[in-house]
Amino acid sequence: QVQLQESGPGLVKPSETLSLSCTVSGDSVGSYYWSWIRQPRGKGLEWIGYVYHTGNANYNPSLKSRVTMSVDTSKSQFFLKVRSVTAADTAVYYCARGVDWLPRFDYWGQGTLVTVSS
Amino acid sequence: EIVLTQSPATLSLSPGERATLSCRASQSVSTYLAWYQQKAGQAPRLLIYEASNRATGIPARFSGSGSGTDFTLTISSLDPEDFAVYYCQQRSHWITFGGGTKVEMK
Repeated sequence: QVQLQESGPGLVKPSETLSLSCTVSGDSVGSYYWSWIRQPRGKGLEWIGYVYHTGNANYNPSLKSRVTMSVDTSKSQFFLKVRSVTAADTAVYYCARGVDWLPRFDYWGQGTLVTVSS
Repeated sequence: EIVLTQSPATLSLSPGERATLSCRASQSVSTYLAWYQQKAGQAPRLLIYEASNRATGIPARFSGSGSGTDFTLTISSLDPEDFAVYYCQQRSHWITFGGGTKVEMK
C-alpha cells in the first residue's frame, strides 16, 4: 500500500520561503509524477506542480515564478519550495502520486496546514 | 486556463437516493477528466478517471460519463458514507479542479 506523508513547518513568515517534504513508502518513486496540491481552508483545490523521478519538473503557470520542486530517489522523498510567501499561500498542502503526464492523482498524503503569518 | 464549473453547489439528498453531479468545462477536455471525493478533514480520494473508469476499490454505485465539455458523476444509491464534497479535475491543458459539489444529508 502506497503511503505519502508531508512534513515541514506549520508557520512561515511573510516574504520567506515555505519548504515541505513528502516521504513515500510502499513504492519506489520511479515512473510517477510526484505532485503538490494545496487547498485554502474552506476552498477548492489548486495544483502547484509535479516533479518526475528524473528531477524534471512541471509547474502551474500561475505559481511558476515562485516554486521549485526536487526529488531524492535514494530517500524516497520529494520536496516543495515556495518563495516570497504571502497570506494567500496559507493552505493545507497535499503531496500526491500522479499517474501520466499532466496526471490524475491516485494516492494522497493526509495534508499539512501551512499558515503564513508574522 | 480551462475553467471547470460544478453544479449544483450543494445537493441535499437522503440515503438510498440517486445523486447526479455535473461538471462543465470551458473548452473541450476530451475524456481527460477525473472525479474525487473529499470528506471533512481528509485528503481527496480518486473515484473516476478518464471520465468513466472507476479507480481501484471504488464501489460500482459510482459511475462517470461524458466527453468534451459536459460530464456527470452519478451515485446510484447514496450510502451514508457518500456524503462529502466532490471535485472534478481536468488534465487536458495543465491541471485545474472544479469548485466542488457538496452532497449533504437531507
